[in-house]
Amino acid sequence: QKEVEQNSGPLSVPEGAIASLNCTYSDRVSQSFFWYRQYSGKSPELIMSIYSNGDKEDGRFTAQLNKASQYVSLLIRDSQPSDSATYLCAVGRGDSSYKLIFGSGTRLLVRP
Amino acid sequence: EPEVTQTPSHQVTQMGQEVILRCVPISNHLYFYWYRQILGQKVEFLVSFYNNEISEKSEIFDDQFSVERPDGSNFTLKIRSTKLEDSAMYFCASTRVGGSSYEQYFGPGTRLTVT
Repeated sequence: QKEVEQNSGPLSVPEGAIASLNCTYSDRVSQSFFWYRQYSGKSPELIMSIYSNGDKEDGRFTAQLNKASQYVSLLIRDSQPSDSATYLCAVGRGDSSYKLIFGSGTRLLVRP
Repeated sequence: EPEVTQTPSHQVTQMGQEVILRCVPISNHLYFYWYRQILGQKVEFLVSFYNNEISEKSEIFDDQFSVERPDGSNFTLKIRSTKLEDSAMYFCASTRVGGSSYEQYFGPGTRLTVT
C-alpha cells in the first residue's frame, strides 16, 4: 500500500475554473499535511500547510483535511495557465525528524 | 525573503567518484534535510539532521552517503563512490519547527548526472 496516493492526471481544466486535487494517506498518526507546486525541472514550492480538520484558505487556494477519512485536498479557484504544474501532496508523521513523505503528484493543465 | 540555496546547480561525475553537494539552509532554521527525485519519480526522503547529528535516515541513505554541517551555515551531502543509479535531482530543505509550524522550504536542487 502506497503511503501517500495521488491521481497522476493530467487534470485538465479551463482557465477560470476550479481545480480540485486529492490525496489520501495510509498512516493514521500523520499530523501535518502540505501541498507543494513543482514546475518541470524545478524544486517543490510550498503552497499550503494544514494541520487540523477542516478548511484553510489562502488567496485562491483552499486546503481541506479530513483525518477520519485520511484525505486531504487542494482547491484552486480561478485557475490560471500559470497554475499548470505538478502538485505534490506531502505528509509529516510528527516523528522526531519531521520528515515528509511525498505522493507522486498530480499534473494540472489549465487550458487558456 | 530568506531562501535555501544549493550549489552546484548541475554536477556531472564519473561512476566511482566522490561528490559533495552543498546547501545553505535558511538562517534561523534548525532541521535540515536531503531529498532526492529520480527523473519522473516522486520526491524521496534521504536524511534529516538536527543539533549536529542525523535524526533519521532512509534505506537509501547507506554507507556511501554522509552529511555534515562543517560551519554555521553550510550543510553538505557527500556520496563517496557514485553509481549510475545516484543520478537524480537532490534537494536540500530546512524547517524551523516552532509553535505549530513544520513547513519545509526547498532549495533549487542540484542535478547530479553520473556517467
